Amino acid sequence: KQEVTQIPAALSVPEGENLVLNCSFTDSAIYNLQWFRQDPGKGLTSLLLIQSSQREQTSGRLNASLDKSSGRSTLYIAASQPGDSATYLCAANGQNFVFGPGTRLSVLP
Amino acid sequence: NAGVTQTPKFRVLKTGQSMTLLCAQDMNHEYMYWYRQDPGMGLRLIHYSVGEGTTAKGEVPDGYNVSRLKKQNFLLGLESAAPSQTSVYFCASRAASSYNEQFFGPGTRLTVL
Repeated sequence: KQEVTQIPAALSVPEGENLVLNCSFTDSAIYNLQWFRQDPGKGLTSLLLIQSSQREQTSGRLNASLDKSSGRSTLYIAASQPGDSATYLCAANGQNFVFGPGTRLSVLP
Repeated sequence: NAGVTQTPKFRVLKTGQSMTLLCAQDMNHEYMYWYRQDPGMGLRLIHYSVGEGTTAKGEVPDGYNVSRLKKQNFLLGLESAAPSQTSVYFCASRAASSYNEQFFGPGTRLTVL
């Protein structure tokens, strides 16, 4: 059974810092891994989708990497801004999507 | 193009009452999903559908039923609501093929007293 974990559970950084969020999964037989952002009381917004054959995906200040063999993905956020404050979720897609518990990010002005 | 929409946005039920949550998508997606999100538990899959007229159980299906009579709609039913079903419910859809991304609706916040 796929299990997904995310470290850290919460993170607070000053504005402008570069930061890394971690996602680990136990079953490497996945089609892809998707990163989402969730604002309080809102739905999930897709940020990046990395196929199992890819190593990286980039969108603006966001860069996600995938190492399927080690069961890890990272989300790198460059030059963080207060507007980046949200919960970030990763989901590993095998038979179905399995979600991690999320990392709650606070970027302080 | 509205994407994925959910009705209602909020609902309060008494124990034993029934209700249906509606999910609609206008992207012609084959696959549709119902999740629940609880504090400390993350999102868990309740039921899913890979096409019109098909449904399958997810991780936490007990107490729920679903129907997919039309491709664009996926209904989640609670026949006899229990306080343990207090949660935020999300619907998602994606195009056929396991390589496509999921798109989520805004959620329904359900409280069962």
